[in-house]
Amino acid sequence: AQSVAQPEDQVNVAEGNPLTVKCTYSVSGNPYLFWYVQYPNRGLQFLLKYITGDNLVKGSYGFEAEFNKSQTSFHLKKPSALVSDSALYFCAVRARNAGNMLTFGGGTRLMVKP
Amino acid sequence: GAGVSQSPSNKVTEKGKDVELRCDPISGHTALYWYRQSLGQGLEFLIYFQGNSAPDKSGLPSDRFSAERTGGSVSTLTIQRTQQEDSAVYLCASSLAPLGTGAEKLFFGSGTQLSVL
Repeated sequence: AQSVAQPEDQVNVAEGNPLTVKCTYSVSGNPYLFWYVQYPNRGLQFLLKYITGDNLVKGSYGFEAEFNKSQTSFHLKKPSALVSDSALYFCAVRARNAGNMLTFGGGTRLMVKP
Repeated sequence: GAGVSQSPSNKVTEKGKDVELRCDPISGHTALYWYRQSLGQGLEFLIYFQGNSAPDKSGLPSDRFSAERTGGSVSTLTIQRTQQEDSAVYLCASSLAPLGTGAEKLFFGSGTQLSVL
């Protein structure tokens, strides 16, 4: 079975500071990894994905994530946080042989304060 | 349409009643998914449709839950004899092609907030 853990329910950062939202996964074989963001009163939006190749993936709104196979992690990062980044972030994983089911983590609420 | 549309946005029902939730995917998207988001929980996979293939129902929590997709477009999720634990946000998503083909991005609707009293 595949699973995703987001160990922090909430992350607080000051505007302008770097941010990290943690994600670890468990899957048989090589994973496909994703980050989605849910802004208040809006649907989930795709941020970025890791399929293969370079371990550092760049996505929308200046976000990036690094795939670390040995640590089974896919942490989301941004060098300088904005207040408008405040939202709920979901990490997701799918094994390459898992059909079409995408397994999501429990979500991490990011609060960026001015 | 411009995005995935779900209706109603909110539904309040009494325990034991049946409810129907509707999803209108992005035009041309062949894949359609239903997920459930409970308070404080992640997204729970419910069911997946791809074209004319038999749906993947592996995530449906009980036989009270069913879904259909008519004409490869609009989908309806039906919950019979609703229970209080069914209260959640039900999210629909569509994608241009099945996962694993390179078109991995899911487009989500705003969801239906279901409250069972």
